[in-house]
Amino acid sequence: KQEVTQIPAALSVPEGENLVLNCSFTDSAIYNLQWFRQDPGKGLTSLLLIQSSQREQTSGRLNASLDKSSGRSTLYIAASQPGDSATYLCAGGPAGGTSYGKLTFGQGTILTVHP
Amino acid sequence: NAGVTQTPKFQVLKTGQSMTLQCAQDMNHNSMYWYRQDPGMGLRLIYYSASEGTTDKGEVPNGYNVSRLNKREFSLRLESAAPSQTSVYFCASSKGTAPEAFFGQGTRLTVV
Repeated sequence: KQEVTQIPAALSVPEGENLVLNCSFTDSAIYNLQWFRQDPGKGLTSLLLIQSSQREQTSGRLNASLDKSSGRSTLYIAASQPGDSATYLCAGGPAGGTSYGKLTFGQGTILTVHP
Repeated sequence: NAGVTQTPKFQVLKTGQSMTLQCAQDMNHNSMYWYRQDPGMGLRLIYYSASEGTTDKGEVPNGYNVSRLNKREFSLRLESAAPSQTSVYFCASSKGTAPEAFFGQGTRLTVV
């Protein structure tokens, strides 16, 4: 059974810091890796998607990498802001077929960026 | 562009009552999914529909049924609600030929 683990469970940093969120998974053979943001009481917003043939993706201050050999993904947030405070979820899915949304989720990292 | 729309947003049920959660997407996606989110458990897949006319069980299907009404709509039914089904339910969709999944805003269900 596929398992996804996120470390740390919670992180509190001062504004301006660069930070790294970690995600590890047990099955590296078949993977797309998607990072989401969830604000309290809200739905999931897709941040970055790394397909199995890719190593990293970037969007603004966010950079996500995928190392299938070690079963790890990291989300790097540069120059953090209070508005980045949210729960960050990583989820792995199948690399092929018609069920890409059949994701296995980590339990998330709760990020707090204080002014 | 609405994306994935879920109704209702909030619901309180008594034990034994039934209800249907509705989900619709306007992105012409082939695949649709229902997840539940519980504290300490993360999101877990309940049922999914790879394409119109097909449905399959996910990790936690017991106590639920689904209907893929058409390409746009995928409903989740609780026939006899139990307190253990208190959760936040999320519907998602994906193109089926591309890996990115898109989620609705969730339905917060409380069973008393």
